[in-house]
Amino acid sequence: AQSVSQHNHHVILSEAASLELGCNYSYGGTVNLFWYVQYPGQHLQLLLKYFSGDPLVKGIKGFEAEFIKSKFSFNLRKPSVQWSDTAEYFCAVKGVNRDDKIIFGKGTRLHILP
Amino acid sequence: DARVTQTPRDKVTEMGQEVTMRCQPILGHNTVFWYRQTMMQGLELLAYFRNRAPLDDSGMPKDRFSAEMPDATLATLKIQPSEPRDSAVYFCASGFGTPDTEAFFGQGTRLTVV
Repeated sequence: AQSVSQHNHHVILSEAASLELGCNYSYGGTVNLFWYVQYPGQHLQLLLKYFSGDPLVKGIKGFEAEFIKSKFSFNLRKPSVQWSDTAEYFCAVKGVNRDDKIIFGKGTRLHILP
Repeated sequence: DARVTQTPRDKVTEMGQEVTMRCQPILGHNTVFWYRQTMMQGLELLAYFRNRAPLDDSGMPKDRFSAEMPDATLATLKIQPSEPRDSAVYFCASGFGTPDTEAFFGQGTRLTVV
């Protein structure tokens, strides 16, 4: 069965610190991977996605993620966070078959101190 | 600017009442997802549809929840009777029916059952 594990439930950083949020998935096949962000009181928005090709994926707002197939991981990174990055971040996995569903991790709450 | 539209945005109801949540997917999208978000469980997939047909509703409590797509522009999620434990934010998302599709989320319906 598909599952996604996000290791950090709550992360607190100061502005300009570097960020890495962990994500591991379980799925018996080829996957598509996503990171979504949910700002306070808002809906989920796509940050970046991996379908194939270069395992280092660049997204919006300076975020990037690296797919490491051997580790079943898709960690999210940002070299220097800003106060406006305060939000909840969700990793998601989808199999590549047409009817595969998108399964989300439980999310990581990121709080950036000004 | 295409977006998924959900109504109502907020709903407070008494235990035992019927609740209907509505979703208008983005025009041209043929896949619709319903997710429930709670602090404890994160984002849970309740059901999803492709071309108006239910593909998977295994995440939904069958005795009280039902999901339908009366037409391509409307998806509904009903709870009857509602219970306090149903209090959550319910998100609808839509996408294209291709393996590399991502989900586009609506603003959600915040349901409070008292």
